[in-house]
Amino acid sequence: GEDVEQSLFLSVREGDSSVINCTYTDSSSTYLYWYKQEPGAGLQLLTYIFSNMDMKQDQRLTVLLNKKDKHLSLRIADTQTGDSAIYFCAEGFSGGYNKLIFGAGTRLAVHP
Amino acid sequence: GAVVSQHPSRVICKSGTSVKIECRSLDFQATTMFWYRQFPKKSLMLMATSNEGSKATYEQGVEKDKFLINHASLTLSTLTVTSAHPEDSSFYICSARPPSSTDTQYFGPGTRLTVL
Repeated sequence: GEDVEQSLFLSVREGDSSVINCTYTDSSSTYLYWYKQEPGAGLQLLTYIFSNMDMKQDQRLTVLLNKKDKHLSLRIADTQTGDSAIYFCAEGFSGGYNKLIFGAGTRLAVHP
Repeated sequence: GAVVSQHPSRVICKSGTSVKIECRSLDFQATTMFWYRQFPKKSLMLMATSNEGSKATYEQGVEKDKFLINHASLTLSTLTVTSAHPEDSSFYICSARPPSSTDTQYFGPGTRLTVL
């Protein structure tokens, strides 16, 4: 079945790196996504990685994918207070209706 | 680019009434739109997939007669919560997928529905 899991909470100091982890069960996904949700708002697409890639870097964001272990991570370098939000990982499946399966979200708290 | 809007952003209604939520893709055409429901401190649960010009596909456990979806044009999908009850109170989020190779979905800002 389809299941995506994340730890629920992460607290980091401003300026440190944050690493948010995600595991999934269905290896047939085509893309894996990271979305950011700020309070009372919808989801903002941060980055995504194609399932046959190992790593993707986009400015302060680094996505690592271990397909063998079905593990996805998002590293935020030099974390700022504006990065405080809930981060969702999601699996995307091509074909059919391209649905996304979301994890429960990791709440990132950045403190001085 | 890839902006999705929702209207209203917040609505309060009485139990038994119906509420319509609009989802629009502002700068692209979306043949497919998705409707999600988010419970407090929980993930997004896909309710249904809406395809322009055809009937929506509902996920298991979602009542199609209660959550009516219409995708009348390539830029507009509507979700109508019929005979709303307090347990329907939730954050409803839509997304739209532009015709691209990444299959990426872009999300609207969400609609907070409160049923009294």
